[in-house]
Amino acid sequence: NAGVTQTPKFQVLKTGQSMTLQCAQDMNHEYMSWYRQDPGMGLRLIHYSVGAGITDQGEVPNGYNVSRSTTEDFPLRLLSAAPSQTSVYFCASSDGLTGSYGYTFGSGTRLTVV
Amino acid sequence: AQSVTQLDSQVPVFEEAPVELRCNYSSSVSVYLFWYVQYPNQGLQLLLKYLSGSTLVKGINGFEAEFNKSQTSFHLRKPSVHISDTAEYFCAVTRSNDYKLSFGAGTTVTVRA
Repeated sequence: NAGVTQTPKFQVLKTGQSMTLQCAQDMNHEYMSWYRQDPGMGLRLIHYSVGAGITDQGEVPNGYNVSRSTTEDFPLRLLSAAPSQTSVYFCASSDGLTGSYGYTFGSGTRLTVV
Repeated sequence: AQSVTQLDSQVPVFEEAPVELRCNYSSSVSVYLFWYVQYPNQGLQLLLKYLSGSTLVKGINGFEAEFNKSQTSFHLRKPSVHISDTAEYFCAVTRSNDYKLSFGAGTTVTVRA
């Protein structure tokens, strides 16, 4: 089983460019989410989805869009990249209400905006 | 909304010594608690979780944590650390009727020979 797969692993963008971070899971999990990790701040929730066709904002949604057309995929779009979006991005998925089964994380995408 | 405070940002420790990482949470409703570990340049891996029942929870790699409801704490311990335990550790909480995880800022553990 692949688990949660994120691509790309590394990316450098110029300010103002757009891009999509890909996330796919093969565990048939209902819940998927995107976090960003910054030094000294832990992980902060950007957007999440409780099922295909349903998305909602997390703690730091500005500058990011998501969609969930299938159970497996949950891409994160940066509309116009800014240096403040330089971060490591993690996608996670979970089966079951409340996450009591635990969350499975991808290996991350390290994004630098110059 | 719930929140998590990890009381130590850095914990240096010698090999084979014990370690304790402190985590306090705040929430007005019942919660589920987690500890995750992140090795350098990797994703997060679940160490252990508290959902209900016994307040002492045992996890992987010899780690354990104790849930203390009166003190709203969920401290992580290991009686004897190895060099390979060098990593960043995150405490996380979710409300028992919610999907969303809230993370602490992390504690970096550095194990020295």
